[in-house]
This record gives sequence, C-alpha cells and structure tokens, in this order.
Amino acid sequence: AQSVSQHNHHVILSEAASLELGCNYSYGGTVNLFWYVQYPGQHLQLLLKYFSGDPLVKGIKGFEAEFIKSKFSFNLRKPSVQWSDTAEYFCAVKLGGSTLGRLYFGRGTQLTVWP
Amino acid sequence: DAGITQSPRHKVTETGTPVTLRCHQTENHRYMYWYRQDPGHGLRLIHYSYGVKDTDKGEVSDGYSVSRSKTEDFLLTLESATSSQTSVYFCATQQGHQETQYFGPGTRLLVL
Repeated sequence: AQSVSQHNHHVILSEAASLELGCNYSYGGTVNLFWYVQYPGQHLQLLLKYFSGDPLVKGIKGFEAEFIKSKFSFNLRKPSVQWSDTAEYFCAVKLGGSTLGRLYFGRGTQLTVWP
Repeated sequence: DAGITQSPRHKVTETGTPVTLRCHQTENHRYMYWYRQDPGHGLRLIHYSYGVKDTDKGEVSDGYSVSRSKTEDFLLTLESATSSQTSVYFCATQQGHQETQYFGPGTRLLVL
C-alpha cells in the first residue's frame, strides 16, 4: 500500500523563524505531489502542487517545496513564518499512472507560530 | 472552492441510526470523494466516484455506502452509525484525474 509520511507531528516556532516540514512517500513510479493547509475550523486549501518540470515549486503565501526524486521527498519550506501561518499542513500524493485521481494523505503537521 | 457545499454541517446522532451526508458541487466536476479526518490519521478515503453511478471503495469503506445519481450530488450513508464513525467528513471534487482536488467545508458528526 502507498504511504505518505510526515515526520513532524507538531512544530512550534516564533515569528520570523524559518520553516521546513518533511514529507516522504513510498512509491517508485511517477507521482504528483501536493501540500494542503487547514486553518483552524476551516477546510483544506491547496498551498502548492508539483506535476512535472522544475522540482522547486512556489505556492501561495510565500511557501515553496522541493521535489527530490532520489529521496522520495517533497519538503515544504518558508523562510520567515507569521502568526497567521498557524495551521495544520498536509502532504498528499497522487500516483501518476492513476486515472482515478485519488490522493494519499500524510497524517498532518500542526504548526504553531508564536508572535 | 469549486462551489462545494456539504449538508448538514454539524450533526449529533445516536448509535444504530442511519445518517446521510450530502455533498453538492456546482462546477460539473467529474470526480468526487468522501474523506474522514481524525486526529493522528490525516484524511482517509472512504469512497469515491468517477462519474454518475460509478463509485468505488476507498481504504476505510466498511460501514459506509455512497450514491451518485447526478453529477452534482454525492451522498454518503452510514447505514447504522457507530461511535467509531464520529469524525469530520470532507467531500472533495476534481475536474479531471490530472487536476487539483478541491475540498468542501466539512461535516462534523458525533455519534453518541
């Protein structure tokens, strides 16, 4: 079975600190990769996605992620976090050969940013 | 996002009662999904649909059934609710299999 691992369950940072959230997946074929964010009490929103091309992907709100195929990783980064970035972050993977579009999600990382 | 609504938004029910959750979309997306979200588990796929009357099971489908009689509606039914089905349920839609998945606002279900 496919799996997506997010090793950090809860990350606590001060404002202006740099952020890196890890995401690894277990699938040897072509993948499409996503990071979603869920603000308190809200639904999931897409932060960024990778389908092909430049492995460094830029998303909304200053977030970026790098796809490293050899490491099966898609880590999320932000150089300077803000209090408003407090949320839960989910990594998700879609198998590239699939015509059904289903996503496999990691367990999520709760980010708390202190002002 | 993608004009997705879910109803009800909150529901409290008793063990053994049937429950139906509705997902409605206005974007004519072909694919629709039901997930449940539980602490420490992220989102897990219950059922999905790849067209009208075309549905299939996800990884946690036991105790759930779905129906999709028209493009815009995807219903999730708990035939006999159990306390283990207390969760937040999210619907998602997707235009094509290579597109982005959009999520609805969620339904918070409590089974007593």
